[in-house]
Amino acid sequence: NAGVTQTPKFQVLKTGQSMTLQCAQDMNHNSMYWYRQDPGMGLRLIYYSASEGTTDKGEVPNGYNVSRLNKREFSLRLESAAPSQTSVYFCASSPRRLQGSDEKLFFGSGTQLSVL
Amino acid sequence: AQTVTQSQPEMSVQEAETVTLSCTYDTSENNYYLFWYKQPPSRQMILVIRQEAYKQQNATENRFSVNFQKAAKSFSLKISDSQLGDTAMYFCAFEDLGRLYFGRGTQLTVWP
Repeated sequence: NAGVTQTPKFQVLKTGQSMTLQCAQDMNHNSMYWYRQDPGMGLRLIYYSASEGTTDKGEVPNGYNVSRLNKREFSLRLESAAPSQTSVYFCASSPRRLQGSDEKLFFGSGTQLSVL
Repeated sequence: AQTVTQSQPEMSVQEAETVTLSCTYDTSENNYYLFWYKQPPSRQMILVIRQEAYKQQNATENRFSVNFQKAAKSFSLKISDSQLGDTAMYFCAFEDLGRLYFGRGTQLTVWP
């Protein structure tokens, strides 16, 4: 009963390096999300995918790209990492789009990313 | 842009006592959902309670209840009979157009 699985759990990058955060859910959910959490800032939405084949920008999309590879997987890519992207990243999913629905988000356990 | 404000960065309460966490939000929408999430030191995000704006009745889940004041755009969380396991960061969140907007959180510490 895995739910939402994120890899890796921890990562250290040097400024300018690139990497991809992986997220997969096994609940047959349509919608998936990427959030970042910074101290004192709560969670902020980076990108989301309401359904397979669609992606939309959230509050803080700059410096990131996403791919909804299939219904299960939603990856987040940092093309050229910057120290400002040091954060904890959460992937989440919901059965369908939250708008006006009775759904809730199911969260992964997070990825701690440090950019030096 | 939607905003969610949690004015209490930290709170503490003694075990078995009651504590209320505050949350206000700003929106021009008439129907929407509000949530409280709990994040213990394990970092896992756990849904505590949910409220739909058009419902007059305040939501309750066991020891957790909300005081939803739509006109005042206020959504506070009351935890009764606090337990040590309630120690966590608590986030208020507002749903709009399919996105969740989170407040900055309140760190709650329950002490024996």
